[in-house]
Amino acid sequence: SQTIHQWPATLVQPVGSPLSLECTVEGTSNPNLYWYRQAAGRGLQLLFYSVGIGQISSEVPQNLSASRPQDRQFILSSKKLLLSDSGFYLCAWGDISYEQYFGPGTRLTVT
Amino acid sequence: QQPVQSPQAVILREGEDAVINCSSSKALYSVHWYRQKHGEAPVFLMILLKGGEQKGHDKISASFNEKKQQSSLYLTASQLSYSGTYFCGTVTPMNRDDKIIFGKGTRLHILP
Repeated sequence: SQTIHQWPATLVQPVGSPLSLECTVEGTSNPNLYWYRQAAGRGLQLLFYSVGIGQISSEVPQNLSASRPQDRQFILSSKKLLLSDSGFYLCAWGDISYEQYFGPGTRLTVT
Repeated sequence: QQPVQSPQAVILREGEDAVINCSSSKALYSVHWYRQKHGEAPVFLMILLKGGEQKGHDKISASFNEKKQQSSLYLTASQLSYSGTYFCGTVTPMNRDDKIIFGKGTRLHILP
């Protein structure tokens, strides 16, 4: 069966520090991968998605970036965090014709 | 463009019914419904493809009006376990190979 992992689960970082969140998927190959962010009042905001290795589509211009170095690995990064980057970050995989499976999420607090 | 959900929040007593609406300004290929418990990841409820179908399981069902670019989620005889935030997600014909755009969510609280 398919499993999706995210780490860390919780993170507290100062403004201006770098960020790296990792997501890995098991039990499937060549999945579509997604990064979402939840902030108060914004719902599930799509940040990036990838349909294959090295292919990244950005939905929201900001100081975040994403990379997909391996088929089942998706990384969210930032060189310098802003206060507004605080939120609950969710990685997901799936076929939009069926179901998206979400990971357990990373709660990021920027101080 | 983000779909619009209404209401933003609703409080019910156990056993009452609820309807959550989702509307889009763009033509839709499909509508997805998810439920999220506090602090947890969203969980898939159902997907409705264009064709105006209605789907459901247990006491949760949904309809999709392709012409009106709207979907509604129906919760009948609500149970305490139905509490959470409900998100609709939309896929447009142009994006149907790639992504789902989610609304801001509807918070549902069921009282005993």
